[in-house]
Amino acid sequence: GESVGLHLPTLSVQEGDNSIINCAYSNSASDYFIWYKQESGKGPQFIIDIRSNMDKRQGQRVTVLLNKTVKHLSLQIAATQPGDSAVYFCAERGFQKLVFGTGTRLLVSP
Amino acid sequence: KAGVTQTPRYLIKTRGQQVTLSCSPISGHRSVSWYQQTPGQGLQFLFEYFSETQRNKGNFPGRFSGRQFSNSRSEMNVSTLELGDSALYLCASSLGGSGTYNEQFFGPGTRLTVL
Repeated sequence: GESVGLHLPTLSVQEGDNSIINCAYSNSASDYFIWYKQESGKGPQFIIDIRSNMDKRQGQRVTVLLNKTVKHLSLQIAATQPGDSAVYFCAERGFQKLVFGTGTRLLVSP
Repeated sequence: KAGVTQTPRYLIKTRGQQVTLSCSPISGHRSVSWYQQTPGQGLQFLFEYFSETQRNKGNFPGRFSGRQFSNSRSEMNVSTLELGDSALYLCASSLGGSGTYNEQFFGPGTRLTVL
């Protein structure tokens, strides 16, 4: 069960750097957004979420920023570690179902 | 608590055949959603079942169908397989109550290859 691999933008960072992964969403009526992490051989795993009435939410080493004006979402990972290497997807909830972005592959080198 | 399990993990079929995939949700979860993941289209929503009823459906042809049993286990079926059906099929379970969003937990997926 490897994650999607052939058509993904890639972000390469050094261990210890901060990473920023961006996502543009399509539906201005979406009220809920989620970031998922998918490692090779696994299904997507929930990282952090944010509701549309918020601009920012912080978790452990991760921060999600929401800009509803330009329909943009970003995931910031502080002090990126090799274990953070994976494909990251944003998802928006619209019409009671999740719509996923195409994903970004994060590569962390030691 | 055991996670979402999917069987089989890998499957090879030929065009024209049909296939049934199985998903066992986390205990206590009543909603099961299915997704197709391909390199070209990414993750796309197929359908969602809640209490044995299809509650939501994506934009896939009628060859794709599903069902849910009284124990919340779910199956999806693809008939008359096409080469383009080759994909990773992911199942996700959640508590499923209406109203606020319930976090979805994904299984490892079933890798289907159509020859």
